[in-house]
Formats: sequence, structure tokens, C-alpha cells
Amino acid sequence: GQSLEQPSEVTAVEGAIVQINCTYQTSGFYGLSWYQQHDGGAPTFLSYNALDGLEETGRFSSFLSRSDSYGYLLLQELQMKDSASYFCAVRDPGNTGKLIFGQGTTLQVKP
Amino acid sequence: EPEVTQTPSHQVTQMGQEVILRCVPISNHLYFYWYRQILGQKVEFLVSFYNNEISEKSEIFDDQFSVERPDGSNFTLKIRSTKLEDSAMYFCASSAGDSPYNEQFFGPGTRLTVL
Repeated sequence: GQSLEQPSEVTAVEGAIVQINCTYQTSGFYGLSWYQQHDGGAPTFLSYNALDGLEETGRFSSFLSRSDSYGYLLLQELQMKDSASYFCAVRDPGNTGKLIFGQGTTLQVKP
Repeated sequence: EPEVTQTPSHQVTQMGQEVILRCVPISNHLYFYWYRQILGQKVEFLVSFYNNEISEKSEIFDDQFSVERPDGSNFTLKIRSTKLEDSAMYFCASSAGDSPYNEQFFGPGTRLTVL
């Protein structure tokens, strides 16, 4: 089966950089995705890594190392609005594309 | 920008009642999903739907659950006899058609409260 581990909570101050790690165990691998979820809201797609390395999208970057079954989401120049839950997710290797989510990391940004 | 929509935003029901949660996926998307999230927990897969049939369902998706695409736009999740433990946020998602591994777009969710 598939399982993902990420820290439950992270706290940082406005303007800082924070890294949210994710390790995964999968029977097949079709990429690691990151989603942001504000309280009670829909998961919003942030990034996707299928190959090793760093993908940058504005203030957010995501990294993948397939040999280590590890990835992280890097948030730079933190803003108060970045306070949310962040989920890493992998695709199930079956042919349906279903996402398997981690437990989520609650990021609290303080002034 | 196209988006997935869901109605109602909040549904309160009595245990044992039937509920239907509605979703309008992004038009021209061909892969449809329902996920649920119990308060404070992770998002869990319920069911995937492609080519007018269920392609996969989870252990949670028992005989009390069903999905339908009654027309070209709506995608519904029915719970026949709700239980207290069905209280959760239910998210619909869809992705474009050339691969099941395309990005999934999530709707805003329906908060189901079973009393």
C-alpha cells in the first residue's frame, strides 16, 4: 500500500523560509504533489514533481528525491495568508489516478 | 477560469436519512472523484469514475454509497442511510481526459453533518 509521513505542525514568522518534509512508501511511483488547504476549504494544487530536483513556482518550490522516497515543499517570504494546512500526495499506481494524501502539516505564520 | 462546483455547501440530516451531494466537474474533464475529510484528518479517497462507470472504490465506499452521472454535467454522490460517522467534508474532483494522472481540481466541498 501507500503511506506518507509529514510533520503535523510547523510554526514560522512572517518573511521567513519554511520547509515541510514528506517521506513516502509506495508500490509504484507516479509523482509527488503538494496541496494547500485553508480552514474548511478545498485542497488547492500547488506543485507536482515526477522527476528528481527542484521545481519553482513563485515563492513556493518543491523538491523530490526518488532514491530517498523524499520530497519537500519550500515556502519563501512567508506571509500571514500562507497559514494553512499543506498535504503531500502520491498517485496510486492503479489506473484510476486516485490521490493518496499524507496527514497534512499545519503551518502557522506569526507576525 | 473553469472550476468545480458543489452543492449544497452544508447539509444537515438525521441519521438514517438519504442525502445526495451534487457536483459539476469542469466541462471536458473525463475523470471524476469523490474524496472525504473527517474534521482534523487527512483527505481520503472514496471513488473514481470514468467512462460512465466506477473505476475504483475504497473500503469506505460500501453498499450505502452510490455515484451517478445523470447527464453531461452533474456528478452525484448518494448516501442511502446516513450514519453519524458519515459526518465529514465531501470533495468532488475532476481531471482532464488524456490521462488519469493529470492534475485534479477540487470543488469547495459539502460539509455533511449527521445528527
